[in-house]
Amino acid sequence: KAGVTQTPRYLIKTRGQQVTLSCSPISGHRSVSWYQQTPGQGLQFLFEYFSETQRNKGNFPGRFSGRQFSNSRSEMNVSTLELGDSALYLCASSLGQGRRDTEAFFGQGTRLTVV
Amino acid sequence: AQSVTQLDSQVPVFEEAPVELRCNYSSSVSVYLFWYVQYPNQGLQLLLKYLSGSTLVKGINGFEAEFNKSQTSFHLRKPSVHISDTAEYFCAVSYQTGANNLFFGTGTRLTVIP
Repeated sequence: KAGVTQTPRYLIKTRGQQVTLSCSPISGHRSVSWYQQTPGQGLQFLFEYFSETQRNKGNFPGRFSGRQFSNSRSEMNVSTLELGDSALYLCASSLGQGRRDTEAFFGQGTRLTVV
Repeated sequence: AQSVTQLDSQVPVFEEAPVELRCNYSSSVSVYLFWYVQYPNQGLQLLLKYLSGSTLVKGINGFEAEFNKSQTSFHLRKPSVHISDTAEYFCAVSYQTGANNLFFGTGTRLTVIP
């Protein structure tokens, strides 16, 4: 079965612009989370969506937002980009509930460079 | 506050030697514990997980980890490493709000020397 798919793989944006990243979870998974990975801060949890609702949120400014569609696909948006937003953005999916929700599967990530 | 500490940022080891990557976490509640591996320009791949039950957990590629509740540790071990094990390793914890709300350690870069 297909894994977690993130598009695009690479992006270059200019400061002040906005960007939208996309994530298609594994079929049947209802939870999608986003993580930011940088050399300085490591891997940080951004937010989790479950059944089109934000269920958990990390400590990031409001410029970072997301949404989830009825087919569980998710998008993440960053507005007014700053140089410090350059990072690898990882999406992960899981079943989302119940005793079988014991593992998150990660996509290959989107490498965002802000210049 | 919850936190995950990986005590070693870099671990060099010779091929076929044993290795241990250390991980400690802080929590007053029950947790799920995970080890993930990341190869260059890739996402994260799950090596193993501890949910409950036996404290010794076996994973893929010959890795295993032991959960120690009294020491709040979850160290990763492999008795004999290969060149292909060179990668970044992350310890992560979930506070049972679900498997997809993970707090990660800062990572350990394992370099296997031929």
